[in-house]
Amino acid sequence: EIVMTQSPATLSASPGERATLSCRASQTISTNLAWYQQRLGQAPRLLIYDASTRATGIPDRFSGSGSGTEFTLTISSLQSEDSAVYYCQQYNNWPPWTFGQGAKVEIK
Amino acid sequence: QIQLVQSGAEVKKPGASVKVSCKASNYTSAKYGISWVRQAPGQGLEWMGWTSAHNGNTKYAQKFQGRLTMTTDTSTGTSYMELRSLRSDDTAIYYCARDPGGLGTSAGMMDYWGQGTLVAVSS
Repeated sequence: EIVMTQSPATLSASPGERATLSCRASQTISTNLAWYQQRLGQAPRLLIYDASTRATGIPDRFSGSGSGTEFTLTISSLQSEDSAVYYCQQYNNWPPWTFGQGAKVEIK
Repeated sequence: QIQLVQSGAEVKKPGASVKVSCKASNYTSAKYGISWVRQAPGQGLEWMGWTSAHNGNTKYAQKFQGRLTMTTDTSTGTSYMELRSLRSDDTAIYYCARDPGGLGTSAGMMDYWGQGTLVAVSS
């Protein structure tokens, strides 16, 4: 099973600032990685797939990069509505598909 | 727009079974797969398994083998997740999510999600 590790666990930043979240895979997964946003009390929402492709309707302030074992989600200019928990998920080897433990973004 | 609407909350006793439904609308559900993901209170996301509406193929996480069944009724566009021999640590919100891989294959990512179904297991 591929283990996904996210950092930091919590990020606190002000509106307009840049936020960078990291995700590391325990073995290489090429670019078979997705990012999801989960706001409090809501279902997850797909943000990025194939490591860097934005899903339908996702604002361009969200961007993804990386390949192999190291990946990054960047929010270029934080908005209040970006307060959420963000998860990475690998879909290179299964079963199972595996998620990171989540990273919470707080807006000051 | 594409929607997945799940059945309502359930309260079950240990040892019982639960069957959660997920009805798809506004897309050709028979072409795609459905993954099921659960989230225990205050915890992260856990993938449980996937089923293809196209050919009935399934893949389950090892930890659920033997007590999990996923099916799809293509006539109604409704997928089902049945979990048996429930324990207290099965208490969670269960989500269905569309897998955009077509014709019996999984793409891996999950692009549309249901609203979630709370399953509480308590004696």
